[in-house]
Amino acid sequence: DAEITQSPRHKITETGRQVTLACHQTWNHNNMFWYRQDLGHGLRLIHYSYGVQDTNKGEVSDGYSVSRSNTEDLPLTLESAASSQTSVYFCATQATGGTEAFFGQGTRLTVV
Amino acid sequence: GQNIDQPTEMTATEGAIVQINCTYQTSGFNGLFWYQQHAGEAPTFLSYNVLDGLEEKGRFSSFLSRSKGYSYLLLKELQMKDSASYLCAPHTNAGKSTFGDGTTLTVKP
Repeated sequence: DAEITQSPRHKITETGRQVTLACHQTWNHNNMFWYRQDLGHGLRLIHYSYGVQDTNKGEVSDGYSVSRSNTEDLPLTLESAASSQTSVYFCATQATGGTEAFFGQGTRLTVV
Repeated sequence: GQNIDQPTEMTATEGAIVQINCTYQTSGFNGLFWYQQHAGEAPTFLSYNVLDGLEEKGRFSSFLSRSKGYSYLLLKELQMKDSASYLCAPHTNAGKSTFGDGTTLTVKP
């Protein structure tokens, strides 16, 4: 079965460190998204990609970057982690055409 | 821009019916998703409305009025397992979804 996998599931890091969260999908979807979800709130879009070599900024992109070198992976990098980036991060994929999005299980990141 | 409004919390009784409303103002609107999210888990797809009207899928139905910027999710014959957050997510013709803060539904015996 096709799936979307995020790693690590939990991460504690120190302020100022660079952190990369992995997202790998086997759906063969062109569209991939990174969201963050703070306690008691909905999902806010960080970055997204519509295909290889394509990346776009979402509504809360400051301090984050992504790269898309193949269809399967969209790693999210925090350039210099800040306490305000403590959150749960979800990766999602979606086929072109507005069909449902499939979400990974999330990465809980704590910046101390 | 995007502006999404849905109630923060709702409580209902097992076996009852509950309606969760969502209003939105979305540039380039194409359709509207509803997702369910249990505590500590990832969101899962419930419905996607593109055209005006009601779409029924088992115990869950979703309604859309494009002209009013309004949608609702209707849950019938509530079960304890329906206790979760329900996320309204307008989708644009650019292929992006924006999520509301979600409605936390508590189903009581």
